[in-house]
Amino acid sequence: GAVVSQHPSRVICKSGTSVKIECRSLDFQATTMFWYRQFPKQSLMLMATSNEGSKATYEQGVEKDKFLINHASLTLSTLTVTSAHPEDSSFYICSASEGFQNTEAFFGQGTRLTVV
Amino acid sequence: GQQVMQIPQYQHVQEGEDFTTYCNSSTTLSNIQWYKQRPGGHPVFLIQLVKSGEVKKQKRLTFQFGEAKKNSSLHITATQTTDVGTYFCAGLSGYSTLTFGKGTMLLVSP
Repeated sequence: GAVVSQHPSRVICKSGTSVKIECRSLDFQATTMFWYRQFPKQSLMLMATSNEGSKATYEQGVEKDKFLINHASLTLSTLTVTSAHPEDSSFYICSASEGFQNTEAFFGQGTRLTVV
Repeated sequence: GQQVMQIPQYQHVQEGEDFTTYCNSSTTLSNIQWYKQRPGGHPVFLIQLVKSGEVKKQKRLTFQFGEAKKNSSLHITATQTTDVGTYFCAGLSGYSTLTFGKGTMLLVSP
């Protein structure tokens, strides 16, 4: 199947700093990528839909100025957690599909963010 | 908005016992997908169901899509320790994004 690569897998940062997470589709073009947040032993919470060449669509309750999403090419989307705080510590996962509908989602490996 | 409910949240079985997780949508779905997430890993696609009343099998796993296309189930026969993980259903309705259920965490004791 298709491969989605997410980097870094783990990051520890100081409170107040920003962290960038990259999500790449390695062998297909993804006009749309999705960013999720997952708390321990809980489900995937959709944060935003990243659209290539346009602004991301954020889910209700997600601060767009805090979680900056850039989808500059058909194979790369980035999520930047700005001015991170300990409550932002979580597991962040991206996903992408080859098609728009009725196709499976391929997930990145996820990024474990710890803010100290 | 679309909601996908999944039960149970957690199940602990002895190896060899069967396991079933159920998924219900508040709206009619165009398709439903199932994913498995191993502890510490990321969700991996298992299968997609599209047709009303569809039943698909993967070895010991049986997936069903309800006649009304609003519910689905995943049944594992004779569980093994390798089945441990969280199983998510995810529904697609119209032009909405994929909506995930909360998942069922399966623990299998040897």
